[in-house]
Amino acid sequence: QQQVKQSPQSLIVQKGGISIINCAYENTAFDYFPWYQQFPGKGPALLIAIRPDVSEKKEGRFTISFNKSAKQFSLHIMDSQPGDSATYFCAASRGSARQLTFGSGTQLTVLP
Amino acid sequence: AAGVIQSPRHLIKEKRETATLKCYPIPRHDTVYWYQQGPGQDPQFLISFYEKMQSDKGSIPDRFSAQQFSDYHSELNMSSLELGDSALYFCASSLFGSTGGIHEQYFGPGTRLTVT
Repeated sequence: QQQVKQSPQSLIVQKGGISIINCAYENTAFDYFPWYQQFPGKGPALLIAIRPDVSEKKEGRFTISFNKSAKQFSLHIMDSQPGDSATYFCAASRGSARQLTFGSGTQLTVLP
Repeated sequence: AAGVIQSPRHLIKEKRETATLKCYPIPRHDTVYWYQQGPGQDPQFLISFYEKMQSDKGSIPDRFSAQQFSDYHSELNMSSLELGDSALYFCASSLFGSTGGIHEQYFGPGTRLTVT
């Protein structure tokens, strides 16, 4: 059973558009929520992370929105570029030094 | 900046053989994690070490073992390999003692293991 549910499985957006990926979790003990970007054959690269004490965190074109009561968090990629085309994984852990539980991934394609 | 180093990058083994994967964490990082990623799957946590002691254990088969050495590098030993062990194996490292309570995990490039 997937402890972190991610949607959509795949996403196609036009260059300059906004990409939105959603995740939901059940385990209320989770208190660290990172997003990773992975290109084919490469290791996941940390994009941005958030803790439940804030509702939003922005770094450049990437924003995490966090809704603690709904146990949901999302990644927004503003001004999406073809170079953003990759697989994105949300993850969660009980403390950031603990094992990560990943969502199932979203394959993002940004059309030129 | 130095990243996590994994070796070998590619490994081909036959069924029932053994394999050893190595991971060199980012300098000064004291925690190492191992993940397995099957084709089209998300990474699954196997095991982690903090200061050379096992800290967490996930879905690691009994045929696999791992350890962290005094220089903080880690090795994942896999025996009696099965076809289903074919996957990407990632190592990640973090600095547990970092300030602010955030211990970001940085992943290596992975080792692609193919069992034939």
